[in-house]
Amino acid sequence: KQEVTQIPAALSVPEGENLVLNCSFTDSAIYNLQWFRQDPGKGLTSLLLIQSSQREQTSGRLNASLDKSSGRSTLYIAASQPGDSATYLCAVRNQGGKLIFGQGTELSVKP
Amino acid sequence: GAVVSQHPSRVICKSGTSVKIECRSLDFQATTMFWYRQFPKQSLMLMATSNEGSKATYEQGVEKDKFLINHASLTLSTLTVTSAHPEDSSFYICSATQGASEAFFGQGTRLTVV
Repeated sequence: KQEVTQIPAALSVPEGENLVLNCSFTDSAIYNLQWFRQDPGKGLTSLLLIQSSQREQTSGRLNASLDKSSGRSTLYIAASQPGDSATYLCAVRNQGGKLIFGQGTELSVKP
Repeated sequence: GAVVSQHPSRVICKSGTSVKIECRSLDFQATTMFWYRQFPKQSLMLMATSNEGSKATYEQGVEKDKFLINHASLTLSTLTVTSAHPEDSSFYICSATQGASEAFFGQGTRLTVV
């Protein structure tokens, strides 16, 4: 059974810092991995999608990497801003199409 | 990205009544839609997978008769919480995909059963 773990559970940083969020999964037979952002009481916004054959994806200040063999992904946020404060979720899609989510990392960026 | 619209965003209902939540893919045809439940400060728990025109596949521990899912068209899936009780109060989120591509999520529905 696929299990997804995110570390840390919560993170507080001063504005401007670069930071890394970690995601690990137990079954490397994934179809793709997706990073999401969730603001309090809201739905999910897709940030980056990495196919199983890819190593990384970039969008603006965000960079996500994937090491399928070791079951790990990282989300790198450069020059963090208060507006980046949210919960970040990673999810892996298995061959059957289901998305399995981690518990999330709650990020707070202080001005 | 594609847009998934979920309605209503908030609903309060009396215990024993039923509530219907709609999930629409606005600019693409969703072959598969997923329904999730999220408790405060917790991650999303998959409830069921629905494919257009066929019966939904429920995850272990999710009551089929309690959470009725209908995926009548490629752009609409509905979740009906039947005979709702206070313990059904939660945040429900739908997701839609086209094939095995990127998943897009609705805005979520906050259900409160009083």
